[in-house]
Amino acid sequence: DTEVTQTPKHLVMGMTNKKSLKCEQHMGHRAMYWYKQKAKKPPELMFVYSYEKLSINESVPSRFSPECPNSSLLNLHLHALQPEDSALYLCASSHPGASNEKLFFGSGTQLSVL
Amino acid sequence: KQEVTQIPAALSVPEGENLVLNCSFTDSAIYNLQWFRQDPGKGLTSLLLIQSSQREQTSGRLNASLDKSSGRSTLYIAASQPGDSATYLCAVKEDYGQNFVFGPGTRLSVLP
Repeated sequence: DTEVTQTPKHLVMGMTNKKSLKCEQHMGHRAMYWYKQKAKKPPELMFVYSYEKLSINESVPSRFSPECPNSSLLNLHLHALQPEDSALYLCASSHPGASNEKLFFGSGTQLSVL
Repeated sequence: KQEVTQIPAALSVPEGENLVLNCSFTDSAIYNLQWFRQDPGKGLTSLLLIQSSQREQTSGRLNASLDKSSGRSTLYIAASQPGDSATYLCAVKEDYGQNFVFGPGTRLSVLP
């Protein structure tokens, strides 16, 4: 199994809603990532969890709250988002320390904030 | 701070042509470099990974090279097909930490 699974694929939410994005992998990877991608731009790193601990937070606003319940799961909790937060949210995973450490991506959640 | 650039930003070629995409990075202290393909609104699919000690990797019609000392990588696509139309991104993994730095991508259109 070389898949990273993200749900939902599409999400529309109002600025007062609370929602969560979910990501799951069963490759035994111990690093998991959240990226945000705007149209025609490269992915921007938001958070990295390494061995279930938050290791990188790229100064992301507190309305985005990551959670790593176990080594296979990664969540991104959303609250009071702004229209400019509309984007494709990508989850990825990797096996840290491997000489051929490769980044595997999910298919993303397309988020629209109204 | 590591910066990754890619040229050209966009490329349109007729089917059957061989083509080269370029990726440059500013800090040669990299662990590896990965090339990805992305279709509109989709996730990124890994194409090739070159470790810092390697010079090139091949997969089918794709060949990627790495010159770490000069901070450059190229992705060569042989006999291009319309199905190759996508955005191609390169990303470097830095020697330290868990940060992968992406280039802005090259949007490729292969015309039938």
